[in-house]
Amino acid sequence: DIVMTQAPDSLAVSLGERATINCKSSQSVLYSSNNKNYLAWYQQKPGQPPKLLIYWASTRESGVPDRFSGSGSGTDFTLTISRLQAEDVAVYFCHQYYVIPQTFGQGTKVEIK
Amino acid sequence: QMQLVQSGPEVKKPGTSVKVSCKASGFTFGNSVMQWVRQARGQRLEWIGWIVVGSDNPKYAQKFQERVTITRDMSTSTAYMEISSLRSEDTAVYYCATSNYFDRYDSWGQGTLVTVSS
Repeated sequence: DIVMTQAPDSLAVSLGERATINCKSSQSVLYSSNNKNYLAWYQQKPGQPPKLLIYWASTRESGVPDRFSGSGSGTDFTLTISRLQAEDVAVYFCHQYYVIPQTFGQGTKVEIK
Repeated sequence: QMQLVQSGPEVKKPGTSVKVSCKASGFTFGNSVMQWVRQARGQRLEWIGWIVVGSDNPKYAQKFQERVTITRDMSTSTAYMEISSLRSEDTAVYYCATSNYFDRYDSWGQGTLVTVSS
């Protein structure tokens, strides 16, 4: 199974500042035939289901604010929140859909400093 | 818009079974892949399996191969996940989600809490 490891487990950022979350996969999730990274990012608030933010590692889902961006390729990926807002307090996790079983990161809790 | 509505919370005794439903609307159910994942308290999401709705072809994580059955009813646009021989470690929130084949999860159900307790 591909193991998804996020860092850090939690971080506290001041309003308006940048938050950076890393995700590392134990195997590459880049499919060479179409040059796509099979990696998504989700946001989850307490008591709610996850919400899709980013897919193919860097494509922002429709309606997601442009302060959210994704980057990386192969085994190393990053989710960046450029200017943290109060409503961004949540747990964020990565997800590889390259192979079965699909696997998820352990989550990163983002709080306001 | 895409919507998935799951059945309500369940409390079950060890050794019994539970069947969770997920009713879809706002998209072409027959063209989708319905995913099932679970989240125990404080744990990461765990993939249980999927069903390719159009071909009625389920696939399960090896861990759940012997205990889980995923089905769908095209007439009601509803997917089901049944897990048998429940144990306390199966206590979790169970989610359905929709995707294309080997693709991100576009939309999620609200989650169904299954509690296994004697």
